[in-house]
Amino acid sequence: AQSVTQLDSQVPVFEEAPVELRCNYSSSVSVYLFWYVQYPNQGLQLLLKYLSGSTLVKGINGFEAEFNKSQTSFHLRKPSVHISDTAEYFCAVSDPSGSARQLTFGSGTQLTVLP
Amino acid sequence: NAGVTQTPKFQVLKTGQSMTLQCAQDMNHNSMYWYRQDPGMGLRLIYYSASEGTTDKGEVPNGYNVSRLNKREFSLRLESAAPSQTSVYFCASSSGQTYGYTFGSGTRLTVV
Repeated sequence: AQSVTQLDSQVPVFEEAPVELRCNYSSSVSVYLFWYVQYPNQGLQLLLKYLSGSTLVKGINGFEAEFNKSQTSFHLRKPSVHISDTAEYFCAVSDPSGSARQLTFGSGTQLTVLP
Repeated sequence: NAGVTQTPKFQVLKTGQSMTLQCAQDMNHNSMYWYRQDPGMGLRLIYYSASEGTTDKGEVPNGYNVSRLNKREFSLRLESAAPSQTSVYFCASSSGQTYGYTFGSGTRLTVV
């Protein structure tokens, strides 16, 4: 069984400051990793994904994430945030070998960008 | 616009009432999913359908049933609603596990 832990439920940060949202996963097998963003009263949108290859993954809206297998982490970063980045962010993991193909989500991190 | 369409967007039910949440996708995806979202708990999988004609239980299936009507449509039914089923429900579809999901905009359900 897999699990995902998002270490911070809320992250306040000032506009134009850098931010890191932390994600750790637990799995006995290789995994695929995802970050999704949810704006208020909307569904989830894919920000980026790690399937294989380079451990540094770039996504939309200037976000990037780094896969660290030894630390079982997949932290999301942005060098300079904007007010419009205020949203809830979800880390998710998928088992490539399973027939289920479902994603297991973390509990989410609310990013609030302050003026 | 291509994507996942959920209906209704909002619903209030009395305890014991039944209802069906509808979901349709027009991306020719094989797999479809129903999740519920509760504060502080992220998204939890209720049921999924890996392909047309198959359905399987997820993490929290109790109190729900599903139907994969055809490749496009995947409905979620609450036979006897309970206040614990108050939540936001999301439908999603996927062409395969490497590609992530496309989500609908959600159904906000309140059971009183």
